[in-house]
Amino acid sequence: DAGVIQSPRHEVTEMGQEVTLRCKPISGHNSLFWYRQTMMRGLELLIYFNNNVPIDDSGMPEDRFSAKMPNASFSTLKIQPSEPRDSAVYFCASTPTGGGVYGYTFGSGTRLTVV
Amino acid sequence: AQSVTQLGSHVSVSEGALVLLRCNYSSSVPPYLFWYVQYPNQGLQLLLKYTSAATLVKGINGFEAEFKKSETSFHLTKPSAHMSDAAEYFCAVSGYTNAGKSTFGDGTTLTVKP
Repeated sequence: DAGVIQSPRHEVTEMGQEVTLRCKPISGHNSLFWYRQTMMRGLELLIYFNNNVPIDDSGMPEDRFSAKMPNASFSTLKIQPSEPRDSAVYFCASTPTGGGVYGYTFGSGTRLTVV
Repeated sequence: AQSVTQLGSHVSVSEGALVLLRCNYSSSVPPYLFWYVQYPNQGLQLLLKYTSAATLVKGINGFEAEFKKSETSFHLTKPSAHMSDAAEYFCAVSGYTNAGKSTFGDGTTLTVKP
């Protein structure tokens, strides 16, 4: 199994531009989570999906952030317009449905720099 | 509601010394508990987990953790630190939910001195 795949690994963009981060969860994992990690704020849960349906997006910082999961094998996190304070490492994680027993498998992350 | 408190944001040990990283949890339902490790420029990796079977759980790289319900603790230990153990460690808790959501602690950075 290739694990959770995130792309791109690094993204540098100018303020005001649209940024799209991509995630492919492990096949058979029904839940997908998007996290943001910074030195100042640590690991923050942005949004999570179960069976492709958004369950809780209360962690999404602003309306500039949106996430979709059109099918079981793909999710996107979009920032439009991007701002320098969005610079962070964004992680995607997946887990099988099963009551929280399994723990998460994380992707390698996307390091976003907004200049 | 669930929460995790990791005591000590930074821990420093000498190579060969005991590693002890502390985690206390709060949960209104029987918890599942996890430790993850994050090496520089990598994602988090599951180190070990407690899921209501044995209270002493062994993980990868010689780490183990003991679930103590009376103390609401799940501390991570390793008898002898190695330089390669230098990383950030996260404790997490979940309960039985369909989506399997976990709540993470703030992390503890482990430094290993030669």
